[in-house]
Amino acid sequence: EPEVTQTPSHQVTQMGQEVILRCVPISNHLYFYWYRQILGQKVEFLVSFYNNEISEKSEIFDDQFSVERPDGSNFTLKIRSTKLEDSAMYFCASSPEALGRGTNTEAFFGQGTRLTVV
Amino acid sequence: GEDVEQSLFLSVREGDSSVINCTYTDSSSTYLYWYKQEPGAGLQLLTYIFSNMDMKQDQRLTVLLNKKDKHLSLRIADTQTGDSAIYFCAESGYSSASKIIFGSGTRLSIRP
Repeated sequence: EPEVTQTPSHQVTQMGQEVILRCVPISNHLYFYWYRQILGQKVEFLVSFYNNEISEKSEIFDDQFSVERPDGSNFTLKIRSTKLEDSAMYFCASSPEALGRGTNTEAFFGQGTRLTVV
Repeated sequence: GEDVEQSLFLSVREGDSSVINCTYTDSSSTYLYWYKQEPGAGLQLLTYIFSNMDMKQDQRLTVLLNKKDKHLSLRIADTQTGDSAIYFCAESGYSSASKIIFGSGTRLSIRP
């Protein structure tokens, strides 16, 4: 069964460093997402991406964050100058159509990357 | 903005039914979801229901939707120890077309 894969599963970084979280969405999907879950809190939407551009982003997704689809298969989240409060589980997801509108609205989530900023 | 609320904890005896409740605010919600998160794992979609449906059954899972009250529930029949997890209610709709809004999650624990 096709699945979304994320690497690494756990990343430890020093405050102020840049990190890149990697995701390989399901191959025929067109919409890509990043979510995060701070320990014990809600899963929060960060950004959605379609046709090589951001289609929607939350207030969390500030200039510190960027996304890229560098080669047609990977979808990356870059966090510049990490802060302690960026420590969270980051989930990548993909869907074949836009959520809420298409006939197939399931978003498939990866297993997540646990980011720890020390 | 859109919001999804659910109780934080539920404890049931093994073999009993579990009912997890959720309320949401987005009147334009088109799909409502239940996701399961086991310890240290990612989000697994359990089931979803389209907003023009009242009920959906899938093996031990029954989803009930009261669109008037914006209330969603998940019933797990014959709850087993393997059902221990956090269950997230979530919605997507025209006002949040490219994203899923999650609740805080209900931690289901099973008593022997």
